[in-house]
Amino acid sequence: GAVVSQHPSWVICKSGTSVKIECRSLDFQATTMFWYRQFPKQSLMLMATSNEGSKATYEQGVEKDKFLINHASLTLSTLTVTSAHPEDSSFYICSASPGGVFTEAFFGQGTRLTVV
Amino acid sequence: GDSVTQMEGPVTLSEEAFLTINCTYTATGYPSLFWYVQYPGEGLQLLLKATKADDKGSNKGFEATYRKETTSFHLEKGSVQVSDSAVYFCALNRPGGGNKLTFGTGTQLKVEL
Repeated sequence: GAVVSQHPSWVICKSGTSVKIECRSLDFQATTMFWYRQFPKQSLMLMATSNEGSKATYEQGVEKDKFLINHASLTLSTLTVTSAHPEDSSFYICSASPGGVFTEAFFGQGTRLTVV
Repeated sequence: GDSVTQMEGPVTLSEEAFLTINCTYTATGYPSLFWYVQYPGEGLQLLLKATKADDKGSNKGFEATYRKETTSFHLEKGSVQVSDSAVYFCALNRPGGGNKLTFGTGTQLKVEL
């Protein structure tokens, strides 16, 4: 199957700093990428949908100014957590879809963010 | 809104034991249902899916049947192996929702010799 690589796998940062997470589709072009977040013992929650070359669409309750998403190319989307706080500590997962929103999406391995 | 509820883990089984991981859902309309598996250090992989009532998805010895009357999509395997140790996620997407998935919390399965 298609491969999606997420980097880093884990990161620890100080409160108030910003952290960038990358999501790359290695062997296909992804017109659509999705970002999810999972808090301990809770479900994976969709944060936003990003389409190459356009602004991301955020789910209700997700702060777009805090979670900056850039999808500048067909193989790369980035999620930047700005001015991170301990409550942002979570597991972030991206998925990428080669044929747009209605084809199967492939997932990255996730990034464990810990803000101290 | 849509939601998925799956049994809490971890579930620990001996090799060759029978596996059931329960999953129930709440959704408007007729969603498609999925099971994803995440092996250690890897991304989620689609394990199986069903797109309409009474469909049975199957893959790698795992099966799940879309039960509309009980709004369930329980995952089963007759004989688990150590290599099946992973986290399993039940998910749904609403008709027309594309890849906007609603996930359960995940169930960790540990299979021991």
